Amino acid sequence: EVQLVESGGGLVQPGGSLRLACAASGFTFSSYSMNWVRQAPGKGLEWVSYISSSSDTIYYADSVKGRFTISRDNAKNSLYLQMNSLRDEDTAVYYCARDANGDSDYWGQGTLVTVSS
Amino acid sequence: AIRMTQSPSSFSASTGDRVTITCRASQGINSYLAWYQQKPGRAPNLLIYAASTLQSGVPSRFSGSGSGTDFTLTISCLQSEDFATYYCQQYYSYPRTFGQGTKVEFK
Repeated sequence: EVQLVESGGGLVQPGGSLRLACAASGFTFSSYSMNWVRQAPGKGLEWVSYISSSSDTIYYADSVKGRFTISRDNAKNSLYLQMNSLRDEDTAVYYCARDANGDSDYWGQGTLVTVSS
Repeated sequence: AIRMTQSPSSFSASTGDRVTITCRASQGINSYLAWYQQKPGRAPNLLIYAASTLQSGVPSRFSGSGSGTDFTLTISCLQSEDFATYYCQQYYSYPRTFGQGTKVEFK
């Protein structure tokens, strides 16, 4: 069974940093690209970042470019999102999602990041 | 960035109704479109990919159509478990973008 489990969310002050992790199991992690998608409270879905299976291709949304860094460790079946210079508007539930052929076929349960003083 | 616009933003329906949600892209995206269902407090669930291909395990009452800029998601006979919010997403180019969502409520 495919499972994605996010961790690392929490309360952080504006300007602070946080590192999210996503532990994958039930599939060959190294064969799949991955995405981070977020959802602000009461709002819609926003794609954040993409990383290819071998980490050679990476994309970011303009809203996080230069502040967030996506990475992965295929030996540990893990995906990461390093978030720096956090802003109020980064407050959201962050989901990791497996990339099938562009669509996201499996999603984690999400981890809540709250940016507030 | 490609803008995805869904309509309507919300509506009320009854079980047994035939329901159609539309999604329009600001430029052509071939068939690189997915539909997701999301229930409150839950992660999104993939329903349709490549505009019209049903994801494994998704009931056949869900169907998708369209290509280029105009797409539709149809639920042929609405069931109680289908009351949720639906999102389209294009994966033709980066940044990938979602529609604003369509909330289907019980009448």
